[in-house]
Amino acid sequence: SYVLTQPPSVSVAPGKTARLSCGGDNIGLKSVHWYQQKPGQAPVLVMYYDRDRPSGIPERFSGSNSENTATLTINRVEAGDEADYFCQVWDSSSGYRGVFGGGTKLTVL
Amino acid sequence: EMELLESGGGSVQPGGSLRLSCSASGFTFRNYAISWVRQAPGKGLEWVSGVSGRGDHTYYADSVKGRFTVSRDNSKNTVYLEMSSLRGDDTAVYYCAKDTSADSGAYFDSWGQGALVTVSS
Repeated sequence: SYVLTQPPSVSVAPGKTARLSCGGDNIGLKSVHWYQQKPGQAPVLVMYYDRDRPSGIPERFSGSNSENTATLTINRVEAGDEADYFCQVWDSSSGYRGVFGGGTKLTVL
Repeated sequence: EMELLESGGGSVQPGGSLRLSCSASGFTFRNYAISWVRQAPGKGLEWVSGVSGRGDHTYYADSVKGRFTVSRDNSKNTVYLEMSSLRGDDTAVYYCAKDTSADSGAYFDSWGQGALVTVSS
């Protein structure tokens, strides 16, 4: 089955740039979606099809996907960005299944 | 505004059964696939199952295949997750999530608030 690998934690100072990675075998050939989850809340979509932002998501959020790594970049990080971030793809190699990465806890110092 | 609301969560003994419901509003329900995603306490998200908009295609994670059954009633704007032979590692908050495609395979643009399922003796 397809595996997505995310670093458990990333820390960044306010105003700096956070880069959250999502690794997978030839993930550049898949569409990657990203969700933000704050404590006690349901996930919220923050990026879809690698680099498209839903309405209401600040332009500070951007995405990329190439070869074996997809990246969610958050510029000018704010305290309110502190959350868990999960990447997600669909895997059709053996049946059709959704796959989530293990998640990255973004801490704003 | 799109809205999803789960119900049916609760406590059940190992080996028992439970049925979750996901009621939807604010969009043309039959046009979109719905997935169930769960989150064990303190853990990450795990995709569990999906059903196409017409209900003719269903998909399952290996961890639940043969034990869980997903279905939908488009006349009631509701998706169901029938869970049986429940185990301790099924303990989680279960979210339903709306896909942006008629069959699963796009992204989830709306999520419910979640329903807690606890499997314990």
